[in-house]
Amino acid sequence: DQQVKQNSPSLSVQEGRISILNCDYTNSMFDYFLWYKKYPAEGPTFLISISSIKDKNEDGRFTVFLNKSAKHLSLHIVPSQPGDSAVYFCAARIQGAQKLVFGQGTRLTINP
Amino acid sequence: GAVVSQHPSWVICKSGTSVKIECRSLDFQATTMFWYRQFPKQSLMLMATSNEGSKATYEQGVEKDKFLINHASLTLSTLTVTSAHPEDSSFYICSASRVGVSVTGELFFGEGSRLTVL
Repeated sequence: DQQVKQNSPSLSVQEGRISILNCDYTNSMFDYFLWYKKYPAEGPTFLISISSIKDKNEDGRFTVFLNKSAKHLSLHIVPSQPGDSAVYFCAARIQGAQKLVFGQGTRLTINP
Repeated sequence: GAVVSQHPSWVICKSGTSVKIECRSLDFQATTMFWYRQFPKQSLMLMATSNEGSKATYEQGVEKDKFLINHASLTLSTLTVTSAHPEDSSFYICSASRVGVSVTGELFFGEGSRLTVL
């Protein structure tokens, strides 16, 4: 039972353009959603999060949008830079718990 | 930001031996640590939740006698893969929740430990 889904295993974007990574979830009890960035053979690093009571959170080049009715969130990166090339994981936290449930990840490649 | 460190970063062992992986929170206290496992090109799968001073809580399908977890202090949790077999080869990652913080749900992750069982 995959509660958090990232249906695109990979995405290729030109440098300077906008990267949009998508994530869908099924559990209505998630209270926080997070995005992590991961390089090979390294642990994930936190990027940005959003509370389930918000619909948008912005931090520099990164913006996360949440559509609760559609159970969908997205991460926008603009402008995209070569250093953004990595695997991006969407994660969600169940209300009252600390553990995170992760999506399958999307490999983002920024082309010069 | 908070720092979580794992050791060793990679280990190769013979089938049947046991391997211990350490996870330390270097600059904060972590009452709860989580152990994840990642297979190539797949998601991070939660194995167990490690609570300081008490028994770990294992996710469904994870053998607790196979993957021994000890959280003896607020800064150290260990995962021991007992009688390792080739199918245990994977990338193991720990994460920690910061006491009194993590309002946004953020967990801090270690660098990961790659285990290869021959």
